[in-house]
Amino acid sequence: GENVEQHPSTLSVQEGDSAVIKCTYSDSASNYFPWYKQELGKRPQLIIDIRSNVGEKKDQRIAVTLNKTAKHFSLHITETQPEDSAVYFCAPYNYGQNFVFGPGTRLSVLP
Amino acid sequence: EAGVAQSPRYKIIEKRQSVAFWCNPISGHATLYWYQQILGQGPKLLIQFQNNGVVDDSQLPKDRFSAERLKGVDSTLKIQPAKLEDSAVYLCASSPWPYEQYFGPGTRLTVT
Repeated sequence: GENVEQHPSTLSVQEGDSAVIKCTYSDSASNYFPWYKQELGKRPQLIIDIRSNVGEKKDQRIAVTLNKTAKHFSLHITETQPEDSAVYFCAPYNYGQNFVFGPGTRLSVLP
Repeated sequence: EAGVAQSPRYKIIEKRQSVAFWCNPISGHATLYWYQQILGQGPKLLIQFQNNGVVDDSQLPKDRFSAERLKGVDSTLKIQPAKLEDSAVYLCASSPWPYEQYFGPGTRLTVT
């Protein structure tokens, strides 16, 4: 089955700085790469995703980059704000297999 | 568009008792998932339905957990008998296609 790791496990940044979270996976056939945000006590919410035929996707302050050769993809958040504080999960997916979520990265944005 | 609905939101039971959770997915979503999320961990997939058929239940502890999705819409997840280690948040998610998932608010289960 898919092995998924996230680095770092915790990240603290000053408001306005950038944050980068990396997700590595083992299944070379994975073709869908989403990031979910989960605030304390809330449900996970899809914030951005990318398919295997695209190397980068951007949506306002967030972006995802994919390196299929190295089997990792990253979440980039620019101009961080206190409301970005949450746990972020990656969940690389290969159609026909089951979803495997990473262990999560806790991001704290300090005012 | 209404989101994924789940009930109850909270449940406290004693070990060896049984419990059932209900999920109503977003209208038109063919795929439905049940996840278990233990505090401090990522969601773990228990079972995936496509319409009313099971696609994957490889991680469902079938000696105590069961799930069904009648008529390809609502779904129920049951635990019988419950153990202390079943304390977790049970999340239901749906998607129009097995990619983008939309999660419900979850049911927080405490087993004492």
